[in-house]
Amino acid sequence: AQKITQTQPGMFVQEKEAVTLDCTYDTSDQSYGLFWYKQPSSGEMIFLIYQGSYDEQNATEGRYSLNFQKARKSANLVISASQLGDSAMYFCAMRPRDTGGFKTIFGAGTRLFVKA
Amino acid sequence: DSGVTQTPKHLITATGQRVTLRCSPRSGDLSVYWYQQSLDQGLQFLIQYYNGEERAKGNILERFSAQQFPDLHSELNLSSLELGDSALYFCASSDHRGQFFGPGTRLTVL
Repeated sequence: AQKITQTQPGMFVQEKEAVTLDCTYDTSDQSYGLFWYKQPSSGEMIFLIYQGSYDEQNATEGRYSLNFQKARKSANLVISASQLGDSAMYFCAMRPRDTGGFKTIFGAGTRLFVKA
Repeated sequence: DSGVTQTPKHLITATGQRVTLRCSPRSGDLSVYWYQQSLDQGLQFLIQYYNGEERAKGNILERFSAQQFPDLHSELNLSSLELGDSALYFCASSDHRGQFFGPGTRLTVL
């Protein structure tokens, strides 16, 4: 069965420091996509970053990077130079590639608090 | 801005009532997904439509129904509402990179 595990219910980070949010996944599929979403207190779900399982390079989008370790089945999100506006809930998600998005599964989320 | 629009943003209603939530996917996207996010259940997939046809069903109650119209907008109908239906309802559309969510409709059932 496919599963996403986010073991950190909450994290604190000092402003301007980097933070890593953990995500491990379980799948028997060979081809899949991994995603991170941010949900601020306003409620919207914001797409942050995508990593394909066959991508050789780790994905980066601005201050976000995905530390993809396929053998360990981990897809940690690294936020560099944290800002107060990064305080939010972060969800890791996975979808088998070339299938309908309905198979996307989400982790329980990690709430990040950025301290001034 | 994801390009996915949802209306209304907030909805307050009473138990036993019926409401309709509306969603328009990003331009060019044929799929629409509906999700429910409640405090104790996380993000739950409800149903997917693709180009007007139902593609997949998740944990959607029989009191809930949806449809996708020829112009690709979708409506989620919730009837005989209960207190436990209070949640944030998201619509999403997708491309190969992932799903892009609308701003959500926050439903409060009193």
